Amino acid sequence: RKEVEQDPGPFNVPEGATVAFNCTYSNSASQSFFWYRQDCRKEPKLLMSVYSSGNEDGRFTAQLNRASQYISLLIRDSKLSDSATYLCVVSRSGKSTFGDGTTLTVKP
Amino acid sequence: DAGVIQSPRHEVTEMGQEVTLRCKPISGHDYLFWYRQTMMRGLELLIYFNNNVPIDDSGMPEDRFSAKMPNASFSTLKIQPSEPRDSAVYFCASGGSEQFFGPGTRLTVL
Repeated sequence: RKEVEQDPGPFNVPEGATVAFNCTYSNSASQSFFWYRQDCRKEPKLLMSVYSSGNEDGRFTAQLNRASQYISLLIRDSKLSDSATYLCVVSRSGKSTFGDGTTLTVKP
Repeated sequence: DAGVIQSPRHEVTEMGQEVTLRCKPISGHDYLFWYRQTMMRGLELLIYFNNNVPIDDSGMPEDRFSAKMPNASFSTLKIQPSEPRDSAVYFCASGGSEQFFGPGTRLTVL
C-alpha cells in the first residue's frame, strides 16, 4: 500500500463547478500536510497547508481529519486556470511523501 | 530572491556517460531535497540534506547515484554511469516542511 493515496482522476468539470479531491495517508505519525499544484511540464508549487481546523484561501478549502487519516481539497467556482494536477503531501521529520496526484481539467 | 536554480534545464546523454545535475537553493533554507519524477513512478524523494548534511538517502536507487552539498548554496546529484532507465525530470527543492521547487532538469539517456 502506498503511503499517500489519491484518486488519479481525471476530473473533467465545467467552469463554475465545485470539485473535491481526497487523499489518505498511512502513517499516523505524520506531522504536516499540504496540497501542491503542478502544471504540465512544470515544477510542483505549494498551494496551501492543511490544518485540522480547516483552512480556506479564496475559492480553495482544505481539511484534515487525523482520526481517519484523510485530507481533502475543495475548489469552488472552478476556473479554466485551475486545470492542473493536484498533489497531496504528507510530511514527518523534514521528509515529505507526495501522492501521485489528481488531474483536473476545467472546460468552458 | 530568484528561487531555486537548477542547471542544466535539459540534458541528453548516451548510456554510460556521467551526468551531473546542479542546484542552488533559496538562501536561508536549511533543507535541500532531490526528487525524480516519471510517469510510471510519480515524484520520488531521492535524498535530502539538513544544514548541508545528508539525512536520508534511502531513496537513492543504487550506487550509481551520489549527491553532495559542499556548502549551503550548492548541491550536486551525479549519475555514473547513466542508463536509459534514469531518464526522468530531476527536481531540487529547498525549504522545510513547505518546499520550493526548482524548474527541474529533464534528463534523457539514450
